[in-house]
Amino acid sequence: ETGVTQTPRHLVMGMTNKKSLKCEQHLGHNAMYWYKQSAKKPLELMFVYNFKEQTENNSVPSRFSPECPNSSHLFLHLHTLQPEDSALYLCASSQEITGGNEQFFGPGTRLTVL
Amino acid sequence: AQKITQTQPGMFVQEKEAVTLDCTYDTSDPSYGLFWYKQPSSGEMIFLIYQGSYDQQNATEGRYSLNFQKARKSANLVISASQLGDSAMYFCAMRVFRDDKIIFGKGTRLHILP
Repeated sequence: ETGVTQTPRHLVMGMTNKKSLKCEQHLGHNAMYWYKQSAKKPLELMFVYNFKEQTENNSVPSRFSPECPNSSHLFLHLHTLQPEDSALYLCASSQEITGGNEQFFGPGTRLTVL
Repeated sequence: AQKITQTQPGMFVQEKEAVTLDCTYDTSDPSYGLFWYKQPSSGEMIFLIYQGSYDQQNATEGRYSLNFQKARKSANLVISASQLGDSAMYFCAMRVFRDDKIIFGKGTRLHILP
């Protein structure tokens, strides 16, 4: 595996379900990110992790809970979501969190909340 | 506050023609980087090109070049000799170096016509 991988690629869940999104990067990067991409809205940064430590929580509701056990893995735990949470969730990584380090993105998880 | 503006929601271009995608940005920080990403229908965000605020020359990567006009705060992407595979969403993004966020524009959907 190379680059940034995300599983599952598609997820349908009810509002009472609990599920987790997984992201793994094979690039040796130190920073990882979760983004939400809704239709007709700019890409929204949700969380930033640098060397496993959370450095940014962009006013995300508590029904989204991130976890970063090591620099290569990032999870997004979901519980009691709302239909408006349906979106494409993108994971990204970069060598460092500052400067001109480009972010490499995974293919995303298309989430539908019923 | 930082801001990215992409004024073209959609564009139709004939194959083999050159394309210019507009991007303007706003920041009071002197140190920043500008990025362009491509997002095909598969959903993955693909990094295309980067321009640093102190770079003297416009960035180029193959058929992609960035027309950086610092005084006007614009960072337009130029795609030469467009191909059918260039059809995708294109996002302009900016990172202020002292910050750990990348801010994205709303994107431009590019359609290349055969």
